[in-house]
Amino acid sequence: NAGVTQTPKFRVLKTGQSMTLLCAQDMNHEYMYWYRQDPGMGLRLIHYSVGEGTTAKGEVPDGYNVSRLKKQNFLLGLESAAPSQTSVYFCASRDSEGDSYEQYFGPGTRLTVT
Amino acid sequence: AQSVTQLDSHVSVSEGTPVLLRCNYSSSYSPSLFWYVQHPNKGLQLLLKYTSAATLVKGINGFEAEFKKSETSFHLTKPSAHMSDAAEYFCVVRDSMDSNYQLIWGAGTKLIIKP
Repeated sequence: NAGVTQTPKFRVLKTGQSMTLLCAQDMNHEYMYWYRQDPGMGLRLIHYSVGEGTTAKGEVPDGYNVSRLKKQNFLLGLESAAPSQTSVYFCASRDSEGDSYEQYFGPGTRLTVT
Repeated sequence: AQSVTQLDSHVSVSEGTPVLLRCNYSSSYSPSLFWYVQHPNKGLQLLLKYTSAATLVKGINGFEAEFKKSETSFHLTKPSAHMSDAAEYFCVVRDSMDSNYQLIWGAGTKLIIKP
């Protein structure tokens, strides 16, 4: 049981390049989230999904797109990277059942855009 | 709208002394509150959570937090700090009316443990 995994762990992009971050969870969770973490700030929600085939915007969605074609995977895309997108990206998932409300986090992806 | 304020960006204590990390929140309804910990270059781990049961919540590694509605606070404490507690701590609120369970994060408090 790997929990939540993220690929890649590190990436350096040039301005204007595109890339996709992959998040995978093996806990059969319905809800999945993408956050970014910047120095001196808490995590900010980019996009989230409440189930396979659904996505919704979070607090800071501009410049990102997401897809949830399979329940276990949640992809975050940057179509044209900008230096402002230099950040650490975290994926999380949670079960829809019960009142646990706990989100389980992946180890993060450190992205630098030059 | 809900928000979270962590009152200290850095807290420095000596090993073996008490820890207090302060958190205030604002929420329109009964909130769920959490503390997460992030060790250097690691992911985030849930320390403890309050979801309208007992107001004094015990978590992992000897941490606990008390929900005080009148003060809109959820401060994190530990009686005796250990070197392994050095990390960044985040106070988080979830509005109980949000069915999609979006979390609002504080800016974090970096806990430094002096030997």
